Amino acid sequence: GAGVSQSPSNKVTEKGKDVELRCDPISGHTALYWYRQSLGQGLEFLIYFQGNSAPDKSGLPSDRFSAERTGGSVSTLTIQRTQQEDSAVYLCASSRDGQGGDEQFFGPGTRLTVL
Amino acid sequence: QKEVEQDPGPLSVPEGAIVSLNCTYSNSAFQYFMWYRQYSRKGPELLMYTYSSGNKEDGRFTAQVDKSSKYISLFIRDSQPSDSATYLCAMASGTYKYIFGTGTRLKVLA
Repeated sequence: GAGVSQSPSNKVTEKGKDVELRCDPISGHTALYWYRQSLGQGLEFLIYFQGNSAPDKSGLPSDRFSAERTGGSVSTLTIQRTQQEDSAVYLCASSRDGQGGDEQFFGPGTRLTVL
Repeated sequence: QKEVEQDPGPLSVPEGAIVSLNCTYSNSAFQYFMWYRQYSRKGPELLMYTYSSGNKEDGRFTAQVDKSSKYISLFIRDSQPSDSATYLCAMASGTYKYIFGTGTRLKVLA
């Protein structure tokens, strides 16, 4: 079946502008994750959604970052007033139910460049 | 100190060599250990998954976990140019939170 999809694949924006990144998880997966991957930094956890539970936002680096998940499916990560340090690859993953050790399937990522 | 340490490389080996990739960790609560492969401009894909200690083999790939030393390894036998990628280790204790290493860039030369 279809894997995790993300759009856009690339986004170039000017400092101070807002951006929206979209993630379509695998159908039937109730858990959804956002990560940020910067050069030499590995994957940094941003936010986790599980079903109708309150999301775990503990990884969001500042209040300029927010995310929502509508209808338990599609998720949008929004970065307001972008800064150059926000430049990175933003990866979305989904898993069956978010239980310990549940396999996470990743999308191809959105490469964000802030000029 | 990071919870998970991984040498970033790059690691260059000739085709056919045995490759050893390693991660160390500090959190003794980790019990799920994963290796992901990430090709350039692609998302990570799960390569190996191990629960607790021991070895697991899948084709040319072997994953080893030594919980007493807090050390995990991925061995690739008969390496191929198509194995050239970044390899990320990941660990979890019992929740949804994976902790990832920074990744090791591997280049297999034809």
